[in-house]
Amino acid sequence: TQLLEQSPQFLSIQEGENLTVYCNSSSVFSSLQWYRQEPGEGPVLLVTVVTGGEVKKLKRLTFQFGDARKDSSLHITAAQPGDTGLYLCAGVSGNTGKLIFGQGTTLQVKP
Amino acid sequence: DAGVTQSPTHLIKTRGQHVTLRCSPISGHKSVSWYQQVLGQGPQFIFQYYEKEERGRGNFPDRFSARQFPNYSSELNVNALLLGDSALYLCASSSRTGGNTEAFFGQGTRLTVV
Repeated sequence: TQLLEQSPQFLSIQEGENLTVYCNSSSVFSSLQWYRQEPGEGPVLLVTVVTGGEVKKLKRLTFQFGDARKDSSLHITAAQPGDTGLYLCAGVSGNTGKLIFGQGTTLQVKP
Repeated sequence: DAGVTQSPTHLIKTRGQHVTLRCSPISGHKSVSWYQQVLGQGPQFIFQYYEKEERGRGNFPDRFSARQFPNYSSELNVNALLLGDSALYLCASSSRTGGNTEAFFGQGTRLTVV
């Protein structure tokens, strides 16, 4: 069974601080995706990382895929209150595109 | 262009009842997947359909069933509802199956079983 563990589960920080969210698995995934979900909404895709060691940047967000394609991290620089939400990592499994989600990290950024 | 639409948005049912949730994918998308998200957890895969055929099934009991129609819309049915079925049910559509395909999620149906 493929599982993804995210840490931390909850994070409350002040505006302007930096943070890192980790996503770890014992399984290899063909790719890994990061989503952001706001209350009452479905998850929205932020990025897909495919190649081991790959780093992608989206404004103040930096995503990294581990060399062995088993883990990933999301780093946010100078967090803003608008970054508040649930961050989910999801491994893409096999040829079906089935997503295996971590349990999520709830981020609260206080002004 | 309309995104993924789900109906209803909220639903309250009694234990033992059955429920039907509906999903309309993005126009042109032929793959629909269903996920269950319990409060405080990440979504769990239930089913995937592509071109009206079941392509994947998660670890859910036979009380859960789904189908996809010729227009690619989909229904998720749950029989003999239990309190533990209370969750946000998410539908995701994509243009095809396979790795690295972007999935677009609807806003979900919030099911409460009392």
